[in-house]
Amino acid sequence: QQQVKQSPQSLIVQKGGISIINCAYENTAFDYFPWYQQFPGKGPALLIAIRPDVSEKKEGRFTISFNKSAKQFSLHIMDSQPGDSATYFCAASNQGGKLIFGQGTELSVKP
Amino acid sequence: KAGVTQTPRYLIKTRGQQVTLSCSPISGHRSVSWYQQTPGQGLQFLFEYFSETQRNKGNFPGRFSGRQFSNSRSEMNVSTLELGDSALYLCASSFHGQNEKLFFGSGTQLSVL
Repeated sequence: QQQVKQSPQSLIVQKGGISIINCAYENTAFDYFPWYQQFPGKGPALLIAIRPDVSEKKEGRFTISFNKSAKQFSLHIMDSQPGDSATYFCAASNQGGKLIFGQGTELSVKP
Repeated sequence: KAGVTQTPRYLIKTRGQQVTLSCSPISGHRSVSWYQQTPGQGLQFLFEYFSETQRNKGNFPGRFSGRQFSNSRSEMNVSTLELGDSALYLCASSFHGQNEKLFFGSGTQLSVL
């Protein structure tokens, strides 16, 4: 019940296209859903986060869509750029300092 | 403002040895969390410290331990190393650790031979 399932494992998108990564969770006590971006040799960095009281949050080219009834949330990257090529992790938490991460999606944006 | 600093960056140990990793959080942050990252298991939570007290613990054996000092700096220790302990160990800090932005260091890459 503590798992967060992420798909796809890898994704190839053309420059200017939309990248979509999906996550599903089971624990209804989760109340914080962040997305992290990780480049090789670096630690993850927070991209955007959402709480279950809203269905969508947008920051620049990045949007989280949240479906509480389906227990799913997704990351949309609009106008994907080669610089967006990285590994993306969804995560969930219901208590301080303990994030449960998805398995990660390796995104490659082709020029 | 300096970021989260982890030392050493790389470490090579042999089975049975022990290792201590260090983490200096961002100034003013009182919560420090540790994560293990491997290709097979992904990012897994080890433990979280707040004001020198362990507040949360993941599902790792007792060989994995940690502590936090009064200046919020943290160390984690792994005793009796096993081959499967080879991983990137990441430290993250935040102000109070309650569902807020975590700032990660670049990690310590541990190889156990």
